[in-house]
Parts: sequence; C-alpha cells; structure tokens
Amino acid sequence: EIVMTQSPATLSVSPGERATLSCRASQSVSSNLAWYQQKPGQAPRLLIYGASTRATGIPARFSGSGSGTEFTLTISSLQSEDFAVYYCQQYNNWPPPFTFGPGTKVDIK
Amino acid sequence: QVQLVQSGAEVKKPGASVKVSCKASGYTFTSYYMHWVRQAPGQGLEWMGIINPSGGSTSYAQKFQGRVTMTRDTSTSTVYMELSSLRSEDTAVYYCARALVIAVAGTIGYWGQGTLVTVSS
Repeated sequence: EIVMTQSPATLSVSPGERATLSCRASQSVSSNLAWYQQKPGQAPRLLIYGASTRATGIPARFSGSGSGTEFTLTISSLQSEDFAVYYCQQYNNWPPPFTFGPGTKVDIK
Repeated sequence: QVQLVQSGAEVKKPGASVKVSCKASGYTFTSYYMHWVRQAPGQGLEWMGIINPSGGSTSYAQKFQGRVTMTRDTSTSTVYMELSSLRSEDTAVYYCARALVIAVAGTIGYWGQGTLVTVSS
C-alpha cells in the first residue's frame, strides 16, 4: 500500500502571505495526485487533480506541482477563507486503495 | 447539478452493524464510480472503498476487508455502505463521494453531506 505523508502538520501564515504545503508518496504515483480543502463541519472540496490541474471554480491563487513522489500545493496569497485543513490523495494504482495523507492545517499567524 | 444525499445519523452498540445510504441525482448514476470515506472526530480522511455502480464491482481497503459491504440499487440511484462488528473506533462521519470524471475513478469531485455514526454502549 502506498503511504502518503504531508508536511508540516500545521502551517501558521498571515493573510496575504504565500503558503507552501508538501506531500510525499512512499512510491511513485506519477501525476495521479489530488488536493482537497476541508473546513470545520464541511465535506472536503477538490482543489487540484492530476497534480496540477485546478478543479472547476478554484481560484488561480491555488497551484499544484510535482510528480513521482514529491508534490507541492502553493497558495500564492492567503485569503481569510483559505484557512482550513488540506489533504493530498493518491489514486495511481488499480485496484485501490486510494490513500489520503494525514493533512496540513493552515491557520492564522 | 450533482447531488449526493445521505441518510441520517445513527447510534449503534458495539458488535452491531450499520447501513448508510447515499442517493445520487443530477447525473447518470451508472457512469461514475462512488467512494466511501470516513473521518473520526478530530482526525483525517480515511478511504474505505469504491463501487462501480454499473456492474456493482467493489474494492475495499484492506483494513475493512471482511467487515464492509458496498452495494447499489440502480432503480433508485442509491449506493449503500454496511459496516459490521462495530467498535468504538468506528465512530466517525461517513461520506459517500463521486468520482470527478468517468475515466478516472480515483479523483473525488463531489461529496455527500456526511453521516455521523456513533458506536457506544
């Protein structure tokens, strides 16, 4: 099973600053990597898939990069609504599992 | 628009089973894979398994093998997740979630509202 790790566990950022979140896979997942945002009491929301493709309606300040085992989610200028938990998920192999990382919480500095 | 409406909260005793439903609308039900993902209180997301609503084939995370059963009813566009031999650690919000596109099963584009299952004696 592919194990996903994320760093840091918590990221404290001031509004308007840049945030860089990392995700690592225990073996190559090619570009089969998605990022989700989750706010308290809500279901997750898809931000990025295919490692770098923004989902419909996602602002351009969110960008994804990487391939293989190392991935990055960048939020170029944090807005108040971006403070949330972010999860990466790999979906490389068939059959599954399609494992999630443990998440990175982005909070206000 | 795509909608996934899940059944209501459940309280179960240890050792019991729970069956959560997820009614889909706004798209062709049999064309998109459906996932089940759970989240224990204050914890991260845990992928449980996937069902192909077209033929009913399933794939489960090894952790849940033997305890989980995912089924579908094409006549009502509903998928079900049944988890047996419940223990306190199964207390969580359970989400059904639809694949974003037909060709890629793994990307989750739409989520249900979640169903809280509480396991307590």
